[in-house]
Amino acid sequence: DQQVKQNSPSLSVQEGRISILNCDYTNSMFDYFLWYKKYPAEGPTFLISISSIKDKNEDGRFTVFLNKSAKHLSLHIVPSQPGDSAVYFCAASKGGSEKLVFGKGMKLTVNP
Amino acid sequence: DAGVIQSPRHEVTEMGQEVTLRCKPISGHNSLFWYRQTMMRGLELLIYFNNNVPIDDSGMPEDRFSAKMPNASFSTLKIQPSEPRDSAVYFCASSFTGSSLHFGNGTRLTVT
Repeated sequence: DQQVKQNSPSLSVQEGRISILNCDYTNSMFDYFLWYKKYPAEGPTFLISISSIKDKNEDGRFTVFLNKSAKHLSLHIVPSQPGDSAVYFCAASKGGSEKLVFGKGMKLTVNP
Repeated sequence: DAGVIQSPRHEVTEMGQEVTLRCKPISGHNSLFWYRQTMMRGLELLIYFNNNVPIDDSGMPEDRFSAKMPNASFSTLKIQPSEPRDSAVYFCASSFTGSSLHFGNGTRLTVT
């Protein structure tokens, strides 16, 4: 049973446009959410996170939005760049635990 | 900082053979995680250690899988006997309490 769901396996956008990656979760105990980016033949790297006490966190071109009532979060990348092409994983944890539950990932392709 | 180091990068073995994957975490990190990535299930946590002690091994699929952390700078994940369905990319990650996970580049295991 997937507690963190990334229902779209892939997304393709044009350079300079906005990329929106979505993630849903089922466990209401999750209180910390993260996005990781993964390039081929490399391990995932941390991108951005958000605590459940917030509904938005921004870091440069990356913004994560959290809607607790809908158990939904999204990652916005503006403007998208070809170097953003990668697989993006949504992850969640609860109660300060270091144990992260990951989604299946979503492949983003940014076309020049 | 050399990052998390995993070996081997690739492992091809025959069904029934023993496989040992190795991980050297980042110096100073006190938690170590083993994840498995497959297309069907995404990134699954197999086991994690804190201060060399296994904390949660609920993700270990079967008794064929075992993991050890004899000291703060080394961990192994062993599969004995291996089966074709064990084919996946295995990631090791480490962290310091409160910090994000740092992943190695993974070991791609193929069991024929």
